[in-house]
Amino acid sequence: AQKITQTQPGMFVQEKEAVTLDCTYDTSDPSYGLFWYKQPSSGEMIFLIYQGSYDQQNATEGRYSLNFQKARKSANLVISASQLGDSAMYFCAMRELGYGGATNKLIFGTGTLLAVQP
Amino acid sequence: DADVTQTPRNRITKTGKRIMLECSQTKGHDRMYWYRQDPGLGLRLIYYSFDVKDINKGEISDGYSVSRQAQAKFSLSLESAIPNQTALYFCATSDLPSGSSDGELFFGEGSRLTVL
Repeated sequence: AQKITQTQPGMFVQEKEAVTLDCTYDTSDPSYGLFWYKQPSSGEMIFLIYQGSYDQQNATEGRYSLNFQKARKSANLVISASQLGDSAMYFCAMRELGYGGATNKLIFGTGTLLAVQP
Repeated sequence: DADVTQTPRNRITKTGKRIMLECSQTKGHDRMYWYRQDPGLGLRLIYYSFDVKDINKGEISDGYSVSRQAQAKFSLSLESAIPNQTALYFCATSDLPSGSSDGELFFGEGSRLTVL
């Protein structure tokens, strides 16, 4: 069965520094996708970045990059130059594509609460 | 206006009451989902629907039921609410993963339910 693990319940980072949020996953499906979402204190879920299991390069979106290490089954989120507005809960999620891409259920980790300090 | 709208946004109710949380979307997606969020547990899937005639249980469907009234509407019901159903509930939609879509979820703003 698929599983997502986020081992860091909370983290602090100084403003303008980079921070890495850990995510490991387990699946027997060779075709899957990995997602990161941000949840600010206001509660909405904001999609940040996506990595497909067959993508050759690590995904990047602005200050966000995904350090994808397939053999280690890890998909860590790297936030460069942290800003105060980055303070939020961050969730890693995985979707197994199955045959024909039919499943599309996203399974979430328990989240990491990031606090950016001035 | 939000693409995925949930009503009510906040609700306080008593044990044993029937509660319905409604979700409507304007994204034109066939796939809709209900998740609940609890502190320390992340988001857990309750039910999902890939089209109007397709309803599937998620990992924590006990005590819940759903209705897919139309492509754009997906409702979650608690037939007899209990205190451990106090949580933040999210509706979400997605497109089928394709060359133009990663299949990411688009979430509503959440419905905070408190069962006393």
